[in-house]
Amino acid sequence: GIQVEQSPPDLILQEGANSTLRCNFSDSVNNLQWFHQNPWGQLINLFYIPSGTKQNGRLSATTVATERYSLLYISSSQTTDSGVYFCAVDRGSTLGRLYFGRGTQLTVWP
Amino acid sequence: GAVVSQHPSWVICKSGTSVKIECRSLDFQATTMFWYRQFPKQSLMLMATSNEGSKATYEQGVEKDKFLINHASLTLSTLTVTSAHPEDSSFYICSASPRQDNTEAFFGQGTRLTVV
Repeated sequence: GIQVEQSPPDLILQEGANSTLRCNFSDSVNNLQWFHQNPWGQLINLFYIPSGTKQNGRLSATTVATERYSLLYISSSQTTDSGVYFCAVDRGSTLGRLYFGRGTQLTVWP
Repeated sequence: GAVVSQHPSWVICKSGTSVKIECRSLDFQATTMFWYRQFPKQSLMLMATSNEGSKATYEQGVEKDKFLINHASLTLSTLTVTSAHPEDSSFYICSASPRQDNTEAFFGQGTRLTVV
């Protein structure tokens, strides 16, 4: 199956700092999504971004499909940004079926 | 975005009993839903694909007789953990995509199952 690798596995920041999370995938994909998993386990949709660049407030994401990677940028981080960030891809064989990376555990200190 | 609702959010049951988890698409119809499992501090792994009106498709290594899936309507899929054991304790979460041309997936709140 497709491999999805996220880096770094852990990231500790002070409030106000910027960060970049990376997602590499081993094959062409139909779809790529970024999620934030909150402390209660719920997955919050951040971006649906099979290619190109999108921005939503302090967060932005870029996917370069031809080079098989995606980046999630968090600017001016806040303590509420803490949690696990997952990248997941859809190969298109079964629409909506996602393959997840191992996630990046982000901790933001005040 | 689309709304997927999962119930219950958490459940504690005794070994040997069965537990049913519901996954509903509230504002769209879903012919396909997905069930994932997540162990502590690990990633999400697909367990099965739930197909409306037909049998579910299980991933390799997932016991179909232990994890019964029913997708009787276009808005409801259920996962029943039968004869639960402590090793079945985990976080179970479902997803669905509201559109065919845009496969953005939306997830339920998840269910934390503890078997004692």
